[in-house]
Amino acid sequence: DAKTTQPPSMDCAEGRAANLPCNHSTISGNEYVYWYRQIHSQGPQYIIHGLKNNETNEMASLIITEDRKSSTLILPHATLRDTAVYYCIVRPLYGGSQGNLIFGKGTKLSVKP
Amino acid sequence: EAQVTQNPRYLITVTGKKLTVTCSQNMNHEYMSWYRQDPGLGLRQIYYSMNVEVTDKGDVPEGYKVSRKEKRNFPLILESPSPNQTSLYFCASSLTLAGGDTQYFGPGTRLTVL
Repeated sequence: DAKTTQPPSMDCAEGRAANLPCNHSTISGNEYVYWYRQIHSQGPQYIIHGLKNNETNEMASLIITEDRKSSTLILPHATLRDTAVYYCIVRPLYGGSQGNLIFGKGTKLSVKP
Repeated sequence: EAQVTQNPRYLITVTGKKLTVTCSQNMNHEYMSWYRQDPGLGLRQIYYSMNVEVTDKGDVPEGYKVSRKEKRNFPLILESPSPNQTSLYFCASSLTLAGGDTQYFGPGTRLTVL
């Protein structure tokens, strides 16, 4: 079972920031938080990941709370092309079969004009 | 360009006719994996491979076979396809299965078994 909880759906106005929450209250100290998205039946696309510190790349920012029990993915200026299902996934630091990605239901983000 | 490729992208076949869906990556990744995606059930892992000649079952391996004879290729084999294997299939790869190694996904293969 997925170790994360996400809202099933969210709306966002085009040009505004999209803030997607994820609860991972049982995360352990050696687990990453990963975000992927899937645009209508395309292959899942990696967005960002983090362990403890906040992270930013060209696609998004990841804010992880100090207790690491929740995180927020931020798309700073959402466009219509950001409409997708967003998956928050917890993965262990070290290899082995537990590193396999386990996808939950994700959050369906709809960006509206 | 670093990528994961799958072929074919679309396939319609009949029950019992053996088929193979190919997956290839050009990133020298050790880890590769197959998923299927069905409405309401999400993405579920079928098989994965930690390296050449090392494969293991995922959550839904029944009715599928895989092989990993070389690092770049990880074909998915359906010996006797059935209609319940109609699905959207994705291949993925990463350098290793360590948490810091990002997994990259192929574009998907939509399979219909009549």
